[in-house]
Amino acid sequence: SAVISQKPSRDICQRGTSLTIQCQVDSQVTMMFWYRQQPGQSLTLIATANQGSEATYESGFVIDKFPISRPNLTFSTLTVSNMSPEDSSIYLCSAKRGKVDTEAFFGQGTRLTVV
Amino acid sequence: AQSVTQPDIHITVSEGASLELRCNYSYGATPYLFWYVQSPGQGLQLLLKYFSGDTLVQGIKGFEAEFKRSQSSFNLRKPSVHWSDAAEYFCAVEGNTPLVFGKGTRLSVIA
Repeated sequence: SAVISQKPSRDICQRGTSLTIQCQVDSQVTMMFWYRQQPGQSLTLIATANQGSEATYESGFVIDKFPISRPNLTFSTLTVSNMSPEDSSIYLCSAKRGKVDTEAFFGQGTRLTVV
Repeated sequence: AQSVTQPDIHITVSEGASLELRCNYSYGATPYLFWYVQSPGQGLQLLLKYFSGDTLVQGIKGFEAEFKRSQSSFNLRKPSVHWSDAAEYFCAVEGNTPLVFGKGTRLSVIA
């Protein structure tokens, strides 16, 4: 598997502000994803980051709140916009090398606290 | 779409004892199946995976899992647990959508 680096690893933000999380993979990957893990909960898929086009969002997540970019095959960003305390979570970037018979690997996550 | 159930929220085992964590999935065909482990403050590490073929798969750290189609299960096992195995374990399934995770099982290990 490849290595995923996420920045920042953690942050404390004021409500109403926005935070952009960066995800860098050390080699080209076919697919990239963003997950949210609320405190004490499992992982929920936010969206699939599509290279060169708009991300594909899961039910309950919208582009205005979670804009995503993926300018190339190794990099993606997730922005959490107009934050509220309910957005306090761990946000994880994930990637897959291919669509068939490949596993997803994960970054260390970004722990976000909104105050 | 697929779904995953991990019926045990928290399990406590003694060091050296055997372990089995349960996972059941719902999907119309044979999905891809995975077990991930998350230690406190860490990301997810892949323990093992099933795509096809031999239904008993071996993973890292001495873990294994068996895919049973008739029971729609993919239970994780380890013959002898070490204190360092204490963590959160997630079963995940991939079908016609990206990975869907179970709610996780927290494993505590006592001396």
